[in-house]
Amino acid sequence: NAGVMQNPRHLVRRRGQEARLRCSPMKGHSHVYWYRQLPEEGLKFMVYLQKENIIDESGMPKERFSAEFPKEGPSILRIQQVVRGDSAAYFCASSLVGHVNQPQHFGDGTRLSIL
Amino acid sequence: GESVGLHLPTLSVQEGDNSIINCAYSNSASDYFIWYKQESGKGPQFIIDIRSNMDKRQGQRVTVLLNKTVKHLSLQIAATQPGDSAVYFCAVHEDGGSQGNLIFGKGTKLSVKP
Repeated sequence: NAGVMQNPRHLVRRRGQEARLRCSPMKGHSHVYWYRQLPEEGLKFMVYLQKENIIDESGMPKERFSAEFPKEGPSILRIQQVVRGDSAAYFCASSLVGHVNQPQHFGDGTRLSIL
Repeated sequence: GESVGLHLPTLSVQEGDNSIINCAYSNSASDYFIWYKQESGKGPQFIIDIRSNMDKRQGQRVTVLLNKTVKHLSLQIAATQPGDSAVYFCAVHEDGGSQGNLIFGKGTKLSVKP
């Protein structure tokens, strides 16, 4: 009964490099959400995707950040030309359906550190 | 917009006592509420949820109370155990908002003394 799987668990990048974070939802879940968490803070919504579609990206920075959830394979959060301020924990969640009254189940996150 | 706050950033209780963690929200159109537990180095773990048409819901050792009049949510943990030590977040969805957009509070750190 695998939960939401994220990899890598830790990722170190130098300023200007690209970071790719992967998320495999729970089995049977087709809705994926990405959140960002700074130390001592709550999670901040970034983007919500359903297979091959971006449903809501209102929390995503307009530049350098992109997300996809292809028909086959995991969801990818991509950060181009990373800067120090991108250092954070990035969490992915999935749900069975996209209806609001369904809980989102989270992975253990990717901790991104920018040197 | 929605803002979610916690009444206390830390809470220390004795093992076996009951714990109460509080959360306030600002938007009366909020329609769905979730409590998550986050242990160090891990992702948020779903504990219990409640919809706005209810005012109380119980799970195993946990109870969530919703007071829509004062826009207040609480999580009660009965017979608190050392394994309950973690940061607890309330998350709120706003009616009419994006399906996926949960707004999280900053969290309350619960410490259980043996």
